[in-house]
Amino acid sequence: DTAVSQTPKYLVTQMGNDKSIKCEQNLGHDTMYWYKQDSKKFLKIMFSYNNKELIINETVPNRFSPKSPDKAHLNLHINSLELGDSAVYFCASSQLAEAFFGQGTRLTVV
Amino acid sequence: DAKTTQPPSMDCAEGRAANLPCNHSTISGNEYVYWYRQIHSQGPQYIIHGLKNNETNEMASLIITEDRKSSTLILPHATLRDTAVYYCIVPPLISNFGNEKLTFGTGTRLTIIP
Repeated sequence: DTAVSQTPKYLVTQMGNDKSIKCEQNLGHDTMYWYKQDSKKFLKIMFSYNNKELIINETVPNRFSPKSPDKAHLNLHINSLELGDSAVYFCASSQLAEAFFGQGTRLTVV
Repeated sequence: DAKTTQPPSMDCAEGRAANLPCNHSTISGNEYVYWYRQIHSQGPQYIIHGLKNNETNEMASLIITEDRKSSTLILPHATLRDTAVYYCIVPPLISNFGNEKLTFGTGTRLTIIP
């Protein structure tokens, strides 16, 4: 019974394409996030939503658009994919102290 | 943000206690210290957090110095499954939502040796 689930786990796509990554949490948490881990393994926050409202947007290019249809879901849509977007993207949710992370989506842009 | 400093890597023998240090000399009075770890190819996993007092849970103990400028995460009986990168994080107090801005540095790569 996965707490935070992301789909797909792997995504290989060509430059210029548009793709989406879906995230769902069954923990009843109010806050959800997207993080990006690059090839050097640095893990950086991209977005944070609280009850479907955007709280944090860490100077992410406009090509990245998060969408939260309800507080259990936070999807990430990426337009016009670039080589530099290749990374592992993690979704997470939290209720105050403890954040739960998904297993990650490895995006490879070719 | 209160910046944290951790050694890049450490080794520990299986069955021994692993003690991971973290310096956070610029921490402010209301900021918590969090520890997460990331096992290879997995998402980060919460371990423990604390403010002033020492804390213990089923995974680890957290010892915070009296001046709060440093802390130590203790894994009492390390196993091979504890091999991971360990992150010490002091998230900024942005709002009442809690730790919504976890900033992961480079962490400490802990290797448990059989």
